[in-house]
Amino acid sequence: AQSVAQPEDQVNVAEGNPLTVKCTYSVSGNPYLFWYVQYPNRGLQFLLKYITGDNLVKGSYGFEAEFNKSQTSFHLKKPSALVSDSALYFCAVSLNRDDKIIFGKGTRLHILP
Amino acid sequence: NAGVTQTPKFQVLKTGQSMTLQCAQDMNHNSMYWYRQDPGMGLRLIYYSASEGTTDKGEVPNGYNVSRLNKREFSLRLESAAPSQTSVYFCASIPTVYNSPLHFGNGTRLTVT
Repeated sequence: AQSVAQPEDQVNVAEGNPLTVKCTYSVSGNPYLFWYVQYPNRGLQFLLKYITGDNLVKGSYGFEAEFNKSQTSFHLKKPSALVSDSALYFCAVSLNRDDKIIFGKGTRLHILP
Repeated sequence: NAGVTQTPKFQVLKTGQSMTLQCAQDMNHNSMYWYRQDPGMGLRLIYYSASEGTTDKGEVPNGYNVSRLNKREFSLRLESAAPSQTSVYFCASIPTVYNSPLHFGNGTRLTVT
């Protein structure tokens, strides 16, 4: 079975500060890991993915995520937050070559001007 | 290129009524998914289909049925709607899990009274 946890319901960050949105996962094999973002009244948009290779993954809008196998984590980061980054962020996991994709509960990110 | 199209966009049902949510993709994707989104619960997988003619249960399949009519279409049916099924439903598709993000529809907002 696979699962993903986002331990923070909400994260508040001042504009210009670095941000981190946490994600941990549980799979019995090699994970595929994803981050998606949802803006108000919109569908979900893909940000970045980890399949294999470099542990630091770079994605859209200046976001990046670090895969840590020993801690089973895939935290989303950005060096300098923008007010426009305020949205709902979802981490997702899939077992290697399995078509089942499971999402976390989401973390609401508030960037304070 | 329409991507993933969901119909209807909004629906109000009375308890016990039935309805089918339609989803079609024009990207020749193999896998298709139905998720529901509820506040504080994130996205939960209802059913998915790895290929035409196959369907599998997700995290919350009870009260739902699905049909993968052909490669393009994946419908979700509520046989006897309950208030607990009030939610926003998203359909998504993907070529294969490996190296591919999900493409989401715009969602169907369902209210069961």
